[in-house]
Amino acid sequence: AQSVTQPDIHITVSEGASLELRCNYSYGATPYLFWYVQSPGQGLQLLLKYFSGDTLVQGIKGFEAEFKRSQSSFNLRKPSVHWSDAAEYFCAVVQTGANNLFFGTGTRLTVIP
Amino acid sequence: NAGVTQTPKFQVLKTGQSMTLQCAQDMNHNSMYWYRQDPGMGLRLIYYSASEGTTDKGEVPNGYNVSRLNKREFSLRLESAAPSQTSVYFCASSENVQYFGPGTRLTVT
Repeated sequence: AQSVTQPDIHITVSEGASLELRCNYSYGATPYLFWYVQSPGQGLQLLLKYFSGDTLVQGIKGFEAEFKRSQSSFNLRKPSVHWSDAAEYFCAVVQTGANNLFFGTGTRLTVIP
Repeated sequence: NAGVTQTPKFQVLKTGQSMTLQCAQDMNHNSMYWYRQDPGMGLRLIYYSASEGTTDKGEVPNGYNVSRLNKREFSLRLESAAPSQTSVYFCASSENVQYFGPGTRLTVT
């Protein structure tokens, strides 16, 4: 069965520090991969996606993610975090050619001054 | 473009009451979805519709029904609400990427 693991429930970083949020997936084939962000009381906004090609993908708000097939990972990174990045982040996968998105349980990011 | 819209934003029901959550998209997407979000569990798919006239069960369909009224609209119905259905409900639509509505916060007492 497909699964998505975000091992960190909550991460706290200082403003200006670098950030890496982890995501691992369990799939038979290379899926499509996504990162979404959710601010409190809001819907989900797409940060970036990977379908194929270059394994380092750039997204909005200065985020990037790297697909590593050998590790079944799609970690999200940002070199310098801003206070406005405090939110919950969800990794999601969908099997190529299918419709269903499978979400991880999310990582809540707190940014301290 | 409004994207994906959902009504209502908030709702409180008593156990056993029924209600319909409405969703509409103006992006001409074929696929539409209903998810529920519960603390510590991420989003779980309730039902989806790959195209107008078709619907399929997702991971947690029990207690829900859906209607794909036309290409724009996809509604979710709770026939007899239970406290376990207290959740935040999100609608989404897609071609290759899913775009989400703002959510409906439902409380069943």
